[in-house]
Amino acid sequence: LAKTTQPISMDSYEGQEVNITCSHNNIATNDYITWYQQFPSQGPRFIIQGYKTKVTNEVASLFIPADRKSSTLSLPRVSLSDTAVYYCLVGPYYNQGGKLIFGQGTELSVKP
Amino acid sequence: GAGVSQSPSNKVTEKGKDVELRCDPISGHTALYWYRQSLGQGLEFLIYFQGNSAPDKSGLPSDRFSAERTGGSVSTLTIQRTQQEDSAVYLCASSYDSAGANVLTFGAGSRLTVL
Repeated sequence: LAKTTQPISMDSYEGQEVNITCSHNNIATNDYITWYQQFPSQGPRFIIQGYKTKVTNEVASLFIPADRKSSTLSLPRVSLSDTAVYYCLVGPYYNQGGKLIFGQGTELSVKP
Repeated sequence: GAGVSQSPSNKVTEKGKDVELRCDPISGHTALYWYRQSLGQGLEFLIYFQGNSAPDKSGLPSDRFSAERTGGSVSTLTIQRTQQEDSAVYLCASSYDSAGANVLTFGAGSRLTVL
């Protein structure tokens, strides 16, 4: 299973774009990259998933370079409500072995 | 159901007691996961079920921990002879199938406090 590395914490201000990068140097060919958001006292919530290049939805964008050894979650124009912990997860599309190991997460603090 | 349901939401117990935590996944989701999250920490994988089978139980912290799933639906995580270090939030998640495995829907968690 690919091990992931993320910054422990990041600070931003309302209205700014925030980019959180996750490193996964030993990602496997059949691995997908998925990001989750977790607010205090809640379970993580799926944000976005991708395999390569760029994926965009109503919440965020995910940029994956050609070598796929890293990925960047981009949150446009953050607000106070985006303060949360963001987790990067790398794992196969078909779960054969069972373990899905989350990274340690990035605690994003958005200030007014 | 509409989401993943976990009960109890909060449990306070005395050291040495047994506890059972329940997870009711989204209807039709065949894959079910248990994670543990200690205060201020990340998600620690415990166990995964595909249907009623758990291919890998190596994530369970000790032999005091066990889990089962019946009827391909509800799962129970049992902790015997609880210790203070077992205090954490226990999160359950489900996904539609082994396909699309990374897209998990989590419950709100069961917060366990061992006195």
